[in-house]
Amino acid sequence: QLQLQESGPGLVKPSETLSLTCTVSGASISTIPYHWGWIRQPPGKGLEWLGSLYNGGRTYYNPSLKSRVAVSVDTSKNQFSLKLTSVTAADTGIYFCARTTSTGSYFDYWGQGALVTVSS
Amino acid sequence: SYVLTQPPSVSVAPGKTATITCEGNNIGGKSVHWYQQKPGQAPVLVISYDLDRPSGIPERFSGSNSGNTATLTISGVDAGDEADYYCQVWDSHTAHPYVFGGGTQVTVL
Repeated sequence: QLQLQESGPGLVKPSETLSLTCTVSGASISTIPYHWGWIRQPPGKGLEWLGSLYNGGRTYYNPSLKSRVAVSVDTSKNQFSLKLTSVTAADTGIYFCARTTSTGSYFDYWGQGALVTVSS
Repeated sequence: SYVLTQPPSVSVAPGKTATITCEGNNIGGKSVHWYQQKPGQAPVLVISYDLDRPSGIPERFSGSNSGNTATLTISGVDAGDEADYYCQVWDSHTAHPYVFGGGTQVTVL
């Protein structure tokens, strides 16, 4: 059974970099053609896709965040990571990692989510 | 980027039918997926490709998509269906391929 688990600091200071890791178990992150992505949810608000990677490291990002977001992979650890730079209070929320289907059309497996608060 | 609009809330009596809409420009030409999210939990797919139910999702959940509106219908609603519901489309030809609607909170009266 595929499982995803987010980990990382729950508190980040304004202007610093948010870093989260998603550990995948039950399947290899290198399996083509699945994509692996990050989605966030501000408190009491909706879902926003941040970025994804596939095929060993190719990435694509939400244009509204492209200059601040980066997704990378560590195949030796079966993990992928999110970095979001220059954070503000508006970046506070729950961050989910997820896998898309082989067609890339929707997210079929999700992590439980990690709450990140941006505050000094 | 593409915009999906959902009503913020829908209220329904137990045993009745809840209808949740998702509006977008020519959304009938895209594949729409629906997620259910209960408080403190990750979203769970309830409908894929407009009308397909994943394994384990009750037949009470159904979907349709035409013109500028996609619809998720929950028949015979019970208290366990109280949750937020999100529509999502995927367009591989754009720089923003995954777009979510704003979500609809379903309240069972």
